[in-house]
Amino acid sequence: QKEVEQDPGPLSVPEGAIVSLNCTYSNSAFQYFMWYRQYSRKGPELLMYTYSSGNKEDGRFTAQVDKSSKYISLFIRDSQPSDSATYLCAPYNQAGTALIFGKGTTLSVSS
Amino acid sequence: DTAVSQTPKYLVTQMGNDKSIKCEQNLGHDTMYWYKQDSKKFLKIMFSYNNKELIINETVPNRFSPKSPDKAHLNLHINSLELGDSAVYFCASSQGTGDGLDGYTFGSGTRLTVV
Repeated sequence: QKEVEQDPGPLSVPEGAIVSLNCTYSNSAFQYFMWYRQYSRKGPELLMYTYSSGNKEDGRFTAQVDKSSKYISLFIRDSQPSDSATYLCAPYNQAGTALIFGKGTTLSVSS
Repeated sequence: DTAVSQTPKYLVTQMGNDKSIKCEQNLGHDTMYWYKQDSKKFLKIMFSYNNKELIINETVPNRFSPKSPDKAHLNLHINSLELGDSAVYFCASSQGTGDGLDGYTFGSGTRLTVV
């Protein structure tokens, strides 16, 4: 089983839709859960992260972690065409290790 | 003003050649990384340096050799290029001893095509 699994999509939604992006992971030692966004032909950029279980909200974005089921979600409310990108989850354990990324879910929001 | 810059952006070369990719960061970060993103967009860690010292060396063919002359620079040299080396190579940097919580700053990538 891979450390991080993510449905690659593509996911196509109309503008204004609520989007749910999901990841599962296998290593129960992960404590921090990052979401990166990657626009076409650009490097990934950190969107937000959460620690342990629970929710974290940042504007239209909400990150949710369920450690009991090793399941990570990113919700986007009122999606915009500018949200069209690939979203990568990256659970993280400790300093001295590098981020391990999921394969990313490609999202397309049409106006 | 580019935080992490990579050169070249595009590289097309023949099998068997040797090539180098250069990376520089002006953020004052201590740790730098090389990631490889394949055609299916899977982003995989290759190497990491902290203050010029190699701290992560994943299972990568020894045809790949990183070099860090100082903490602001991390280069990647690839010998005897193969078709399977075609990918986008990303350089990234982070503060501290690789603490991912500050977030990694990625360059725009080097698109390598081996023909």
